[in-house]
Amino acid sequence: DGGITQSPKYLFRKEGQNVTLSCEQNLNHDAMYWYRQDPGQGLRLIYYSQIVNDFQKGDIAEGYSVSREKKESFPLTVTSAQKNPTAFYLCASSSPRDRDNPEAFFGQGTRLTVV
Amino acid sequence: AQTVTQSQPEMSVQEAETVTLSCTYDTSENNYYLFWYKQPPSRQMILVIRQEAYKQQNATENRFSVNFQKAAKSFSLKISDSQLGDTAMYFCAFVSSNTGKLIFGQGTTLQVKP
Repeated sequence: DGGITQSPKYLFRKEGQNVTLSCEQNLNHDAMYWYRQDPGQGLRLIYYSQIVNDFQKGDIAEGYSVSREKKESFPLTVTSAQKNPTAFYLCASSSPRDRDNPEAFFGQGTRLTVV
Repeated sequence: AQTVTQSQPEMSVQEAETVTLSCTYDTSENNYYLFWYKQPPSRQMILVIRQEAYKQQNATENRFSVNFQKAAKSFSLKISDSQLGDTAMYFCAFVSSNTGKLIFGQGTTLQVKP
């Protein structure tokens, strides 16, 4: 079955440690995205990528880094520079130039808690 | 830069009634799509409906329909015959076909009351 997979579902880290969240898709989508969601809040764009080996900063990129070495994978690293990393992180993928199916599909999310 | 604004943080509706959620957006682009997504307590994002900017006809999916006013940059969602399962957070979203940037509004929490 085609889909988008995030792992792990829950992640605990000590303050000051870098942590990497995984996102994999087998939908053959060109674009991939990372969002942060705080309790009762909307989705804020961290980074996005339209093609392999290229990505752009979103609205809240500070303290985060990404890579896009393969079309299927878009891992997000939360660095120690991120001041308040505890949040729910959502990954998505889409083909926004596909007139028949431009909508994004989402993973199940990763709940990151930094203690 | 594109923006998406949802001005209603919370709304409620009686079961079987109709409710409309508002959304406005700002962009200088011509090639884009608009979406409404639903996020129930499970936090899984579910596509409700989409609208192509190049189409004048408003999209409809069963009990869900939109009122797309391109000149006013308005994109509201109407839910008819509301059901308890419609209780969720609803997000309006915009994607540029040129840049691929996908952004969301702040969300509207909808409570359907029995």
